[in-house]
Amino acid sequence: DQQVKQNSPSLSVQEGRISILNCDYTNSMFDYFLWYKKYPAEGPTFLISISSIKDKNEDGRFTVFLNKSAKHLSLHIVPSQPGDSAVYFCAAALTGTASKLTFGTGTRLQVTL
Amino acid sequence: GAVVSQHPSWVICKSGTSVKIECRSLDFQATTMFWYRQFPKQSLMLMATSNEGSKATYEQGVEKDKFLINHASLTLSTLTVTSAHPEDSSFYICSAREESGARNEKLFFGSGTQLSVL
Repeated sequence: DQQVKQNSPSLSVQEGRISILNCDYTNSMFDYFLWYKKYPAEGPTFLISISSIKDKNEDGRFTVFLNKSAKHLSLHIVPSQPGDSAVYFCAAALTGTASKLTFGTGTRLQVTL
Repeated sequence: GAVVSQHPSWVICKSGTSVKIECRSLDFQATTMFWYRQFPKQSLMLMATSNEGSKATYEQGVEKDKFLINHASLTLSTLTVTSAHPEDSSFYICSAREESGARNEKLFFGSGTQLSVL
């Protein structure tokens, strides 16, 4: 049972445009959500997170939006840069389980020139 | 940021042999490390939580006698796949938690180990 879903395995965006990566979850007990970025041959690195008490968190070019009623979150990257090309994983954590994360399958973002 | 070193990055072994994967936190102490497994086109799945100085906590469906975890020091956790079989072929990745940080942000991942069992 896939509790965190990233339905788009890949996404291609032109440099300078907005990249929108989507994530859906089924477990209403998740209360903390994270996005990780992964380059080839490297481990995932933390990008941005959001608590369920918020609906938006912004950090530079990266913004995460959370819609609790729809059990949906999205990562916006604007403007997109070629260095953003990577696999992006959405992850979720249950209340009280600080580091036990449930991951999505990832979305491969390709930013073209 | 902090660095987690995972070794080896890939390994090919014969069916029935055991394989050990190491996960080291290079510049911080980690009382807790996590082991994940990822099959092709699937998500990272948590296998077990490794606690320094105590027994690991395994997720449901993960055989503790097959996947031996040893967290003997604050900087090293090992995962041994015992009597490996082709169905154990997968991508294994560890993460380590830096204790001083805010919730979840201070998780650092190794680069992963691709295991192929012939």
